[in-house]
Amino acid sequence: QQPVQSPQAVILREGEDAVINCSSSKALYSVHWYRQKHGEAPVFLMILLKGGEQKGHDKISASFNEKKQQSSLYLTASQLSYSGTYFCGTEGTGNQFYFGTGTSLTVIP
Amino acid sequence: ETGVTQTPRHLVMGMTNKKSLKCEQHLGHNAMYWYKQSAKKPLELMFVYNFKEQTENNSVPSRFSPECPNSSHLFLHLHTLQPEDSALYLCASSQDITSGRATDTQYFGPGTRLTVL
Repeated sequence: QQPVQSPQAVILREGEDAVINCSSSKALYSVHWYRQKHGEAPVFLMILLKGGEQKGHDKISASFNEKKQQSSLYLTASQLSYSGTYFCGTEGTGNQFYFGTGTSLTVIP
Repeated sequence: ETGVTQTPRHLVMGMTNKKSLKCEQHLGHNAMYWYKQSAKKPLELMFVYNFKEQTENNSVPSRFSPECPNSSHLFLHLHTLQPEDSALYLCASSQDITSGRATDTQYFGPGTRLTVL
């Protein structure tokens, strides 16, 4: 029931792009994306609802393919401030909400 | 500063102690959550309250007892904990849960780092 994220960790140079994937074995109603910096609380990035929507702000966007029960988070032209652990949270049709295993993203100069 | 505060920020307790964690939100939200975050594990949802009513209890041991006296305050009462309960306990709030759906943004507090000796 807990979604699986991939990759587990990624290291980027400033300006490079990254994709983080979130997959569930259950039918999904919504997918949430959060970023957590070391020693801080998770911070909301965006929510995607079923219907196959895509969202984005600044250089971070995400897509949700409900048929595949997958969501992807796209980070383009990465900045040092993007470093942190990214979590997806999935809400199934049975009202259960679970966070994924997390993806550690490190951006280096 | 997300508008969600938690106290204490750090807590060390023995297995026979009784303590409480407090969460307060100043956002006018109606839904509040307790999460447990252990090292190298995903966030685990423990309890959910919507308009002061508990709507979810994810098979949490009875040594954790939540209390939500009003929409702005949430407590987690702890007693006879085990060392494996050591973790970061995060509180979050959202506008509300409509039709049982957690479709609103959740705002997290800074967490309480709990160590059980």
